[in-house]
Amino acid sequence: EIVLTQSPGTLSLSPGERATLSCRASQSVSSNYLAWYQQKRGQAPRLLIYGASSRATGIPDRFSGSGSGTDFTLTISRLEPEDFAVYYCQQYDSSPLTFGGGTKVEIK
Amino acid sequence: QVQLQESGPGLVRPSETLSLTCTVSGGSVSSGSDYWSWIRQPPGKGLEWIAYIYNSGSTNYNPSLKSRVTISVDTSKNQFSLKLSSVTAADTAVYYCARLTYYYDSRRYYYYFDYWGQGTLVTVSS
Repeated sequence: EIVLTQSPGTLSLSPGERATLSCRASQSVSSNYLAWYQQKRGQAPRLLIYGASSRATGIPDRFSGSGSGTDFTLTISRLEPEDFAVYYCQQYDSSPLTFGGGTKVEIK
Repeated sequence: QVQLQESGPGLVRPSETLSLTCTVSGGSVSSGSDYWSWIRQPPGKGLEWIAYIYNSGSTNYNPSLKSRVTISVDTSKNQFSLKLSSVTAADTAVYYCARLTYYYDSRRYYYYFDYWGQGTLVTVSS
């Protein structure tokens, strides 16, 4: 099973700041099988990024993804008030499909 | 626009079987390019993939739950279902149904969950 470790667990930032979230895999993941999701309290997750770097439909360009192999990054260039949420990475390079433990982006 | 809606009991007794149904609209559970999935999230914790069904009956299960899980599909109702047996308090979670789809481009496949239900909280308690 591929374990995804997200860091930091919590990121305390102010609106307008840049957020950098990390997702590290226990073994190499093909970038086309790596996705990122945003989850707000009481809501289902929402797809942000697929293929490690492709934004899903309707996702603002302040969200970007990068990385390869075992290290992937989600960057939010300038935090908007609606961006404070929990973010998960997910892989399906091999079964079972797994999610990272999440990074909470909170208002400082 | 694809929509998914979970339904089922919100309270299940320990050792009994949890049963949930997901009703799909705007899409077809018979679609060959979609994997109809169940995912759960214990209160305050992360996401765990449980299983998916595709091609109107092929299945894939998370090994951690495989011995207790059955996923099935009813194409006539455009629904798919989850049964989890011998539940304990550790199975208390919000259960989501979701569509795992794929996209093929430049000789590569891309897999991701693009549509989710709103989730339903199932509590295991006597």
